[in-house]
Amino acid sequence: NAGVTQTPKFRVLKTGQSMTLLCAQDMNHEYMYWYRQDPGMGLRLIHYSVGEGTTAKGEVPDGYNVSRLKKQNFLLGLESAAPSQTSVYFCASSYSSQGRRDQPQHFGDGTRLSIL
Amino acid sequence: SQQGEEDPQALSIQEGENATMNCSYKTSINNLQWYRQNSGRGLVHLILIRSNEREKHSGRLRVTLDTSKKSSSLLITASRAADTASYFCATDPHNFGNEKLTFGTGTRLTIIP
Repeated sequence: NAGVTQTPKFRVLKTGQSMTLLCAQDMNHEYMYWYRQDPGMGLRLIHYSVGEGTTAKGEVPDGYNVSRLKKQNFLLGLESAAPSQTSVYFCASSYSSQGRRDQPQHFGDGTRLSIL
Repeated sequence: SQQGEEDPQALSIQEGENATMNCSYKTSINNLQWYRQNSGRGLVHLILIRSNEREKHSGRLRVTLDTSKKSSSLLITASRAADTASYFCATDPHNFGNEKLTFGTGTRLTIIP
C-alpha cells in the first residue's frame, strides 16, 4: 500500500517553462489537495478536488491549474513558471466526509521545485 | 491568512523531558488536528480532537482544546530522539468541510540525546 505518491521529487525549471506535477493515491479517497509549503508560511492550499472531474480554488490558486480526470490522480500544472513559485509542493488525500468532519489527510513526501 | 498559529516556533529539550506546544486559532471550528513532519517528508496525522472534546490521549500524546480561548496544546511525554520534527496544528473551520483544513506555521521540536 503506497498511500500518496508524488512525482517528480525534485525539479529545476527556468522562468517561463511549464510543467506538471503528478499525485497518485491508492486509498480510494474522494478528496485530494495540493499545498505549497514555504519557510515561515506553513502549508497553503492551492487547489483541491472533492471528486473525479471536479476541482476548486484554494487560498493561493493564481498561476496554477489542476485536473482530476481519474479518481486516483490529481495533477498540478504550472503554465509559465515564475521564481515566486519556488517551493515544496505537497499533495494530500482524505476519505469523503459524507457528513463526518473528522477525516485526517494523508500526505505525499513532496516535490521540491526551484524556478531560476 | 493562517487560521492556526503555533507557539513556540522552535523548542529544544533533553531526551526524556516533556514537550509542550500550543496552537491558537481565530474562528469557530469543528475539530482541530495535529500533524508531524519529519525533515524532507510529508505530514503525518497524529491526533484529532473535536470541538465538543476537552482532552484526548494517544500513546505519549496528550491534546487539550479550549474553545473559549480558541487554543489547543500538544504534550509529548518522555520525549525521544525520534520525536525531533516539526509539529503543525490544522483547524477545520465551522463553515467548511474537510477540504478546508487550515494549517499553522509549525513548531520545530529538537530532542537532544
